[in-house]
Order: sequence, then C-alpha cells, then structure tokens
Amino acid sequence: AQSVSQHNHHVILSEAASLELGCNYSYGGTVNLFWYVQYPGQHLQLLLKYFSGDPLVKGIKGFEAEFIKSKFSFNLRKPSVQWSDTAEYFCAVILPGNAGNMLTFGGGTRLMVKP
Amino acid sequence: ETGVTQSPTHLIKTRGQQVTLRCSSQSGHNTVSWYQQALGQGPQFIFQYYREEENGRGNFPPRFSGLQFPNYSSELNVNALELDDSALYLCASSLRQGAYEQYFGPGTRLTVT
Repeated sequence: AQSVSQHNHHVILSEAASLELGCNYSYGGTVNLFWYVQYPGQHLQLLLKYFSGDPLVKGIKGFEAEFIKSKFSFNLRKPSVQWSDTAEYFCAVILPGNAGNMLTFGGGTRLMVKP
Repeated sequence: ETGVTQSPTHLIKTRGQQVTLRCSSQSGHNTVSWYQQALGQGPQFIFQYYREEENGRGNFPPRFSGLQFPNYSSELNVNALELDDSALYLCASSLRQGAYEQYFGPGTRLTVT
C-alpha cells in the first residue's frame, strides 16, 4: 500500500536555526506532493505543493521543499525559523487516479521553536 | 470569500449512538472530502462527494456515510459509534473534482464515551 513517512515526530529548535523536515513516500509513479501546516488552534493550511516542473518549490512564509524523485522524498526546509513557526507539519501525496483525489498524509511532525 | 466551516465544534456521544457532522464548502467549491484525524496521527481520508454523489472512499466501514446537498454543503454520518471513532473530523473542499488543492475547515472534535 502507498504510504507517506515523516521521520521526525518532534523537533525542537531555537529561533534562527535552520529547519529540514523529512518526508518519504512509497510509490513509483507520478505523484502530487503537498506540505500542510496546522498552527495551534487553527485549521490545516497549505504551505506548498508540487505537481511537476522545477523540483524546488517555494511556498508561503519562507518555506521551500525539494522533490527528489530518485529518493522518493519531498523534504521541507526553512533557512531561519521563527517562534511563530511552532506548529504541526504534515506531508501528503495524491496519487493520480486515486479515488476522489484523496490526500494520503504522513503522521506529522510537531515543531517547537524556542524564543 | 467565506472559508470552509464546520459544526458543531465539539461533540460528546455515547458508544452505540449516531452522530451527524456538518460542513459548508468554501464559496464556489463543488467537491467536499472528509477526513478523520485521530490524536497524534495524520488525517485519514474517509470519502469525497462531487455533485451530490460519493466519488471515492477510503478504508472506512459502511457505518460512515455522507451526503452532499445542491448548495454543496455536506454531512458526515456515523452510526453505531465506537470508542475508536473519537477523533477530529475534518472537511475539505476543492474548486472542482479534478483540482488537487483542498481547503480545510477547523474540524469537529468528537469524543465517544
């Protein structure tokens, strides 16, 4: 079965530190990839998405992600985190042809940024 | 532009009861998906509705059912509630059936005792 793995369940960083959150998926064909963020008490919001083209994708709030097909990875990065980045981050994929264009989510990474 | 809204915010039910959760799509969106997010886990796809018909279903039993209305709002019904049904239920809408970008509502927290 197709799956999405997020390696780190909890990450604690100090402000201005660099961030990289890992995401791997298990599917050999074309996929559409997403990162969603859930700030405390708020709903899931789309950070960025990759459908095709340039594998380096830039999203909102200074986040970016790189699609590496050979590694089945779509890691999320930010050069310098802020306290306001404290949230839970979810990687998700849509496999073309999946019923209902369903999103398959990873288990999430909870990020805490210390001021 | 109004975002996705869900009601109620919180709900407590007893095992064996039935529950109905509601969702209003973002303006102009005709496709609605429902997800279950258990504590400490990522959301899991339940099903999707497009033009009032179920358009795809995840690995959930038939006691999870839904409806979509002509105004594109939607309901999720769960019969014979079990303790494991306790979760955050998320509704997401998208502009059209083929559009991959989904916009999520705040969710309904269901507790089954």
